[in-house]
Amino acid sequence: KNQVEQSPQSLIILEGKNCTLQCNYTVSPFSNLRWYKQDTGRGPVSLTIMTFSENTKSNGRYTATLDADTKQSSLHITASQLSDSASYICVPGHVREGSQGNLIFGKGTKLSVKP
Amino acid sequence: DVKVTQSSRYLVKRTGEKVFLECVQDMDHENMFWYRQDPGLGLRLIYFSYDVKMKEKGDIPEGYSVSREKKERFSLILESASTNQTSMYLCASSFAGIGRGYTFGSGTRLTVV
Repeated sequence: KNQVEQSPQSLIILEGKNCTLQCNYTVSPFSNLRWYKQDTGRGPVSLTIMTFSENTKSNGRYTATLDADTKQSSLHITASQLSDSASYICVPGHVREGSQGNLIFGKGTKLSVKP
Repeated sequence: DVKVTQSSRYLVKRTGEKVFLECVQDMDHENMFWYRQDPGLGLRLIYFSYDVKMKEKGDIPEGYSVSREKKERFSLILESASTNQTSMYLCASSFAGIGRGYTFGSGTRLTVV
């Protein structure tokens, strides 16, 4: 069964600190992996999209890594800011996505950045 | 700035009412999606469409229907609203193909009383 597990469920860090969020998935056959940021009460916004052949991708202070062999991904946030407080959602994509809509959404990690 | 626009941010409807949620995108995307998001459950796919007048059931289509008469517009219909349909509803769109980015709307918080 295609599944995705994110850890931790929630995390509190101080402003300026770094953090790493984890994602394990069992989607197969696997095509790509996306990370989204969702502010409270808003729709998700794409941070990164990686294909199965990519190991890392950065978007400003956000760096995603992918190990397609172990089916693990992480999102590293550097020098956190108060505006990073949000839920971060890992989304592995099935090879038959697109016209068939086979995206599996994780439940997200809720990050709170405190001053 | 490209966007997906959902017609309402907040809605309160009565049990048994017919409810229409509208979504419009201005990116000429082929694919459009309706999700609902509940605490602890993440996003679940209700319906999607990959072309005008085409629709496919997602994971939880019961109690919902959709309409896509124009490429830019995708409507979600609750035929007879029930309290267990109280949720956040998110519309998304994307170009066809694998690994394409999804653009989400801001969401509609629907409360059925």
